[in-house]
Amino acid sequence: SQTIHQWPATLVQPVGSPLSLECTVEGTSNPNLYWYRQAAGRGLQLLFYSVGIGQISSEVPQNLSASRPQDRQFILSSKKLLLSDSGFYLCAWSPRRTEAFFGQGTRLTVV
Amino acid sequence: AQKVTQAQTEISVVEKEDVTLDCVYETRDTTYYLFWYKQPPSGELVFLIRRNSFDEQNEISGRYSWNFQKSTSSFNFTITASQVVDSAVYFCALGPPSTGGFKTIFGAGTRLFVKA
Repeated sequence: SQTIHQWPATLVQPVGSPLSLECTVEGTSNPNLYWYRQAAGRGLQLLFYSVGIGQISSEVPQNLSASRPQDRQFILSSKKLLLSDSGFYLCAWSPRRTEAFFGQGTRLTVV
Repeated sequence: AQKVTQAQTEISVVEKEDVTLDCVYETRDTTYYLFWYKQPPSGELVFLIRRNSFDEQNEISGRYSWNFQKSTSSFNFTITASQVVDSAVYFCALGPPSTGGFKTIFGAGTRLFVKA
């Protein structure tokens, strides 16, 4: 069966510090991968998606970037965090352009 | 443009009551997918159901049922005999357009409180 791992679960970072969130998927090949952000515990905002190694599409221009160095690895990064980057970040995968399966999320607080 | 509207921000019911969560969508596509996800307090989104636009049959899974009506662009979710464990935020979502892209559109979510 397929599983998705996302870490860390919680993170408190000072303004201006770098960020690296990692997500890995097991049990499948060539998944579509996604990073979402959920602010204030409500709506989901798609940040990035990837359909293959090295292929990243950005939905919202911002202080973040994503990379996919391996088929089942998806990384969300920032060189310098802003207060507005605080939120709940969710990684997800889908086998095709249908339902997505989500990781447990990372709650990021920028102080 | 694609859009998903969940007009109910919060719903509060007493255990064993039935509750319906509304979802209305907009799309120009003739072929599309609709989804429901559950987000319990732990935060992880859990996939509940996928519905293809070609299939308007209602679906029942235990205490959960879904009513898809293409004519009214609605995909409502009913929980029968609600339980405290049903307390969560529920999201309705519209899948990527058949014309291309990978962006799933999520509604704003409905927070359901089930009181014992």
